[in-house]
Amino acid sequence: ELKVEQNPLFLSMQEGKNYTIYCNYSTTSDRLYWYRQDPGKSLESLFVLLSNGAVKQEGRLMASLDTKARLSTLHITAAVHDLSATYFCAVVITQGGSEKLVFGKGTKLTVNP
Amino acid sequence: GAVVSQHPSRVICKSGTSVKIECRSLDFQATTMFWYRQFPKQSLMLMATSNEGSKATYEQGVEKDKFLINHASLTLSTLTVTSAHPEDSSFYICSARVAGGSRYEQYFGPGTRLTVT
Repeated sequence: ELKVEQNPLFLSMQEGKNYTIYCNYSTTSDRLYWYRQDPGKSLESLFVLLSNGAVKQEGRLMASLDTKARLSTLHITAAVHDLSATYFCAVVITQGGSEKLVFGKGTKLTVNP
Repeated sequence: GAVVSQHPSRVICKSGTSVKIECRSLDFQATTMFWYRQFPKQSLMLMATSNEGSKATYEQGVEKDKFLINHASLTLSTLTVTSAHPEDSSFYICSARVAGGSRYEQYFGPGTRLTVT
């Protein structure tokens, strides 16, 4: 059974600081997603990572994937308050001929002024 | 493009009643839709995969007779929670995959918050 572990689960940081969220998964997969969720809202897709060594950046967020280590990182640069949200990684597995997403528990990020 | 809507956004129902949640792909056709449940401050758990014109595939531990899924068209899937109980109170989110499109993209609906009293 695929396990997806994120750490930390809670992260409180000051504006302007950098930090990294980690996502480990237990079996091989050809796709990994990062999503953002604001309180009471649904998911916003941030990144999809498809291959080993993939790196994608959007604004202050950068995601990378190491398929050999089964590790993805979401790096936050010079955090701002607007980045406060819960961030989920999700890994695709194929089961019974169909694909499904398995989510990590999420990292609740709070950026303090 | 690629907008998924859910209706209702919030619903309160009494214990023992049934409630139907709709998931629509507004500007694309979706052969596959997914239903997730999210309890407060927890992650999303896949409940079932819904394929147009065929029976849904339920995840282990999800009662198919309690959570009825119908995917009657390429733009609509419904989840009916039958004989709802307070423990069914949760945030239900659907997602849809574009028919014939990139297999990489799932588009999520805005979610439906169900409260069973």
